Amino acid sequence: NAGVMQNPRHLVRRRGQEARLRCSPMKGHSHVYWYRQLPEEGLKFMVYLQKENIIDESGMPKERFSAEFPKEGPSILRIQQVVRGDSAAYFCASSPAGVSPDTQYFGPGTRLTVL
Amino acid sequence: GNSVTQMEGPVTLSEEAFLTINCTYTATGYPSLFWYVQYPGEGLQLLLKATKADDKGSNKGFEATYRKETTSFHLEKGSVQVSDSAVYFCALRNTGNQFYFGTGTSLTVIP
Repeated sequence: NAGVMQNPRHLVRRRGQEARLRCSPMKGHSHVYWYRQLPEEGLKFMVYLQKENIIDESGMPKERFSAEFPKEGPSILRIQQVVRGDSAAYFCASSPAGVSPDTQYFGPGTRLTVL
Repeated sequence: GNSVTQMEGPVTLSEEAFLTINCTYTATGYPSLFWYVQYPGEGLQLLLKATKADDKGSNKGFEATYRKETTSFHLEKGSVQVSDSAVYFCALRNTGNQFYFGTGTSLTVIP
């Protein structure tokens, strides 16, 4: 059973471009969480999604950031018009329905560098 | 609010040495506490957890005790191995689905 997959593992963008980060949850998992780790900081919660629904986006910046988890396909974290401050590691986690949110399985992360 | 403060690294130990990584937290209510480990190139993996005061979580020789009176959840291992080299994250989960993580402590164990 493959773990949580994230791609790309490394992404370089110039200021003003768009970044699209993908997360494929573990097979059978319908809950996805996105976290961001800025340099020298801990992981910070961004958003929690279930299939076709955003459940909690209290950690998402109000502008330029969006996330989706469609019925088919991976979850996408989209950052429009990137700025240097968006450079960070972005981690995705997934969990199956009906279990405690304590049980989250993490992907290896996508490291975004904005030039 | 909720936050986690953990010992800054990096930490370098010789094989078979005793390990302690300190972690303290701030939270309202009664959070669950966790230690995650991240090996190079991989995602975070749950190492151990404790869900209430005085609980001890343990796994792979690591252990941590939930101390409400000192708001701490220090990670310990009696005899580290080279394979324990990784980054260790302390975390809490309060009501809701959010985890709050510390900044991570890098551990290198040398033969």
